[in-house]
Amino acid sequence: GQQLNQSPQSMFIQEGEDVSMNCTSSSIFNTWLWYKQDPGEGPVLLIALYKAGELTSNGRLTAQFGITRKDSFLNISASIPSDVGIYFCAGQTRTGNQFYFGTGTSLTVIP
Amino acid sequence: NAGVTQTPKFQVLKTGQSMTLQCAQDMNHEYMSWYRQDPGMGLRLIHYSVGAGITDQGEVPNGYNVSRSTTEDFPLRLLSAAPSQTSVYFCASSYDRKNIQYFGAGTRLSVL
Repeated sequence: GQQLNQSPQSMFIQEGEDVSMNCTSSSIFNTWLWYKQDPGEGPVLLIALYKAGELTSNGRLTAQFGITRKDSFLNISASIPSDVGIYFCAGQTRTGNQFYFGTGTSLTVIP
Repeated sequence: NAGVTQTPKFQVLKTGQSMTLQCAQDMNHEYMSWYRQDPGMGLRLIHYSVGAGITDQGEVPNGYNVSRSTTEDFPLRLLSAAPSQTSVYFCASSYDRKNIQYFGAGTRLSVL
């Protein structure tokens, strides 16, 4: 299957700081998705990206579809305690029937 | 709005027991899928279905069976549970294979 490398694996930051995480693949993807998972819950979609170079925002979150189509980035500005959780990237190739998920970035925000 | 509903939320099994994890969606989605989530390994696809009567294997299908007799339901069966199947299982659905997937709350399974 496809390999998705997500980094960093975990982050501990102070409230108010900005956060950056990224995801790289071994294949070219046509779609990138970013999800957040709260403890004991299923992943919830944050941002969807469909075009190379696309930059999309959702409140304090901004994600970009890398121009190589093999990477994507998620930034969170001015973090708050409710940003705590695990963030997953997911990607799909043009002909694929499934999404492949990264291993997740665990975010801890210290008040 | 119910979305994707998974039952049960928690389950403990003994090695060799069988059980069915239920998944239902009320969004009239054609595509449904089952994932398992293990520490440090993200979400791995077990089986998926692109519509009623059609199923296919994902990355880790061994030890699991599925069927899709209706659009709404996509049960996952463990015929003979093994400790290696201890995991959190998520069901997801989407309009079609290219669209955003919506996840259920998960079933936490322990096999002793």
